[in-house]
Amino acid sequence: GAGVSQSPSNKVTEKGKDVELRCDPISGHTALYWYRQSLGQGLEFLIYFQGNSAPDKSGLPSDRFSAERTGGSVSTLTIQRTQQEDSAVYLCASSLGTRASAQPQHFGDGTRLSIL
Amino acid sequence: QQQVKQSPQSLIVQKGGISIINCAYENTAFDYFPWYQQFPGKGPALLIAIRPDVSEKKEGRFTISFNKSAKQFSLHIMDSQPGDSATYFCAASKNSGYSTLTFGKGTMLLVSP
Repeated sequence: GAGVSQSPSNKVTEKGKDVELRCDPISGHTALYWYRQSLGQGLEFLIYFQGNSAPDKSGLPSDRFSAERTGGSVSTLTIQRTQQEDSAVYLCASSLGTRASAQPQHFGDGTRLSIL
Repeated sequence: QQQVKQSPQSLIVQKGGISIINCAYENTAFDYFPWYQQFPGKGPALLIAIRPDVSEKKEGRFTISFNKSAKQFSLHIMDSQPGDSATYFCAASKNSGYSTLTFGKGTMLLVSP
């Protein structure tokens, strides 16, 4: 497809387990963002990748969260030792570059993560 | 610290009416203000955006009004339709260089038939 693809669309796991969430950005988009959307809390920035530059990890809420982007394309967000407060929709977005008005962010449909 | 405050949290409008959603920002470095529309189970999609060099931008039934001195901007949906029922997010960022979007908490709009 032409849009941002995220998988799985839904994930239910037990507290304490590790989870991996995948994002396939739009082809050719060099910038990739992860956000977390909790009920009534809007979208919270987690991490940003731009080309081969070091990622901006300033939004990651704890060291249990990490992300990688391989080959400048696919990204994986990993949450270790999941907690119930990690339950949320995790959204990925990509853009051609960093100039917001010229290269807007395109979002995937997210992964709904539920921690039991 | 919430840098973009959005109100109301929810809104019910009759079909054909005007929907108005307001946002206020704190960071004077922000110079790009998009609105995103999100339907249930879908990711947000860019609806309309404005730069502070203009006070108003209109695209079809959607208009952004911008007040730089008050650090406020709003989305107006004219002739609201049931298909407009969705959650709307305002956001702000710096337009130059690298900057992530800072989002408001969203407004759930319901347009009644």
